[in-house]
Amino acid sequence: NAGVTQTPKFRVLKTGQSMTLLCAQDMNHEYMYWYRQDPGMGLRLIHYSVGEGTTAKGEVPDGYNVSRLKKQNFLLGLESAAPSQTSVYFCASSSQGRRTDTQYFGPGTRLTVL
Amino acid sequence: AQSVTQLDSQVPVFEEAPVELRCNYSSSVSVYLFWYVQYPNQGLQLLLKYLSGSTLVKGINGFEAEFNKSQTSFHLRKPSVHISDTAEYFCAVSEGFTGTASKLTFGTGTRLQVTL
Repeated sequence: NAGVTQTPKFRVLKTGQSMTLLCAQDMNHEYMYWYRQDPGMGLRLIHYSVGEGTTAKGEVPDGYNVSRLKKQNFLLGLESAAPSQTSVYFCASSSQGRRTDTQYFGPGTRLTVL
Repeated sequence: AQSVTQLDSQVPVFEEAPVELRCNYSSSVSVYLFWYVQYPNQGLQLLLKYLSGSTLVKGINGFEAEFNKSQTSFHLRKPSVHISDTAEYFCAVSEGFTGTASKLTFGTGTRLQVTL
């Protein structure tokens, strides 16, 4: 039982390049989330998904796209990377979207955009 | 929207000393509060959560937190810390977002540095 895994762990991009971050969970959770973590700002919600085939915007969605073609996977895409997207990206999942549910986090992807 | 304030960005402490990490929240509705820990180069791990009932919540690794509604606080405590407790600690409040979804609103984190 691996929990939540993220690929890759590190990545360096040049401005304007694109990339996709992969999140996978093996807990059969319905809800999945993408957060970004910046110094002094805690974690902020980028996008989330309430189930296979559905996605929705979070607090800071601009510049990102997501897809959830399979229940266990949640992809985060950057079409044209910008230096402002330099951050650590965390994926999380929860069984349902209830306020009482625990969110389980992956180990993170450290992205640097030059 | 709810908010979470962690007043201390860094807390240095000697091993075996007690520690308290402070967290205050703002909320106009029922509150569900969480403490997560992030060890170096790792993801966030749940320490404990308050949903209802007893205001003293016990978590993993000897941590506990007390929910105080009148002071809108949820401070994290440990009576005797170990070197291995060195990490970043995040307080978070869960709130409804849109539709049926909820989201966690995090504080800015407190770095606990334990030294010999």
